[in-house]
Amino acid sequence: NAGVTQTPKFRILKIGQSMTLQCTQDMNHNYMYWYRQDPGMGLKLIYYSVGAGITDKGEVPNGYNVSRSTTEDFPLRLELAAPSQTSVYFCASRDRVLSGYTFGSGTRLTVV
Amino acid sequence: DAKTTQPNSMESNEEEPVHLPCNHSTISGTDYIHWYRQLPSQGPEYVIHGLTSNVNNRMASLAIAEDRKSSTLILHRATLRDAAVYYCISLNNAGNMLTFGGGTRLMVKP
Repeated sequence: NAGVTQTPKFRILKIGQSMTLQCTQDMNHNYMYWYRQDPGMGLKLIYYSVGAGITDKGEVPNGYNVSRSTTEDFPLRLELAAPSQTSVYFCASRDRVLSGYTFGSGTRLTVV
Repeated sequence: DAKTTQPNSMESNEEEPVHLPCNHSTISGTDYIHWYRQLPSQGPEYVIHGLTSNVNNRMASLAIAEDRKSSTLILHRATLRDAAVYYCISLNNAGNMLTFGGGTRLMVKP
């Protein structure tokens, strides 16, 4: 059981480039989330989804987009990368409203 | 979701119990208390959660005050692998907005 899988683990982008951070889970969880964690800080919610075809903004959505065409996959798209988007990105999922979250191992992104 | 307050850091000796406190004085009656920990260079890991009564699992125990304004995560015998940042989060039963604050950095001494 792989849990939540994120790819790539590391990436360096130039300012203005775009990329997609991949997240997939094999636990058939309905709820999926994207967070970012800046150095020495806690996590902030970017976007979340309560099921396939449904997405909603979190605390810091600007500069990002998501889609949820299947239960398993929840990719995060960065358009026109900026240095402020340098961070570690975590994807998470859970199966019910009251259950705990399962996190991926993260993608470390640097924008130069 | 109610705001939570935790000490920035704590120290413990290996194989001794650790009590990590969390204040959540504005918690509502239906908010759950979740605890997660984050080891260096890893994603957060679920530890335990509860509503009113104390909870136990293989990782830890959660003691919730009778007035629910505070809770304590208890690690019964700290090991070096328990050195991590521990986050206490208050989560309502809609539960889709989860923001982690600063947490408590636990250092375990051999």
